[in-house]
Amino acid sequence: DTEVTQTPKHLVMGMTNKKSLKCEQHMGHRAMYWYKQKAKKPPELMFVYSYEKLSINESVPSRFSPECPNSSLLNLHLHALQPEDSALYLCASSQGRTVAEKLFFGSGTQLSVL
Amino acid sequence: AQKVTQAQTEISVVEKEDVTLDCVYETRDTTYYLFWYKQPPSGELVFLIRRNSFDEQNEISGRYSWNFQKSTSSFNFTITASQVVDSAVYFCALSEAYAGGTSYGKLTFGQGTILTVHP
Repeated sequence: DTEVTQTPKHLVMGMTNKKSLKCEQHMGHRAMYWYKQKAKKPPELMFVYSYEKLSINESVPSRFSPECPNSSLLNLHLHALQPEDSALYLCASSQGRTVAEKLFFGSGTQLSVL
Repeated sequence: AQKVTQAQTEISVVEKEDVTLDCVYETRDTTYYLFWYKQPPSGELVFLIRRNSFDEQNEISGRYSWNFQKSTSSFNFTITASQVVDSAVYFCALSEAYAGGTSYGKLTFGQGTILTVHP
């Protein structure tokens, strides 16, 4: 099983809503990532978890709150988002053993903030 | 600071044509890694290749080949006999490589090249 599964695939939310994005992998990977991708732009790193601990936060606003409950799951909690936060949110994982590893990506959650 | 430039925003070819996607990078590091990822319309990025800065051998994988030249800081990608299924956005990316554990996944992506292969 070499898949990274993200749910939901699409999400529409108002600026006052609270929602969560979910990411799951069963490859035994110990590093997991959240990327944000605006249309026609490259992905931008948001967060990195290594062995369930947050190791990188790329100065992401606090309205995005990551959580790694266990080595297979990664969540991104959303609260009070702005319309400019509308984007494709991609989850990825890697083995977590060394630097510059091959990343396995999910298909993403297309988020629209109204 | 690291930078990756993919000067070709969009390329359109007819099936069976060969196509080369250019990638030029900038880094002050002597040790670094270069990647190519493919993003089909389904959205997920698919890993194609990883090359470290000490390995300048060109690589071929089926219809895909990569030309890494440190002298010109380029890592170009060629698809031979293109097919409609090759239509996607292709990203070149650069990763720093230092010990300490905080460089996981810190990829610097180029802006991407949209490749359209027409039947």
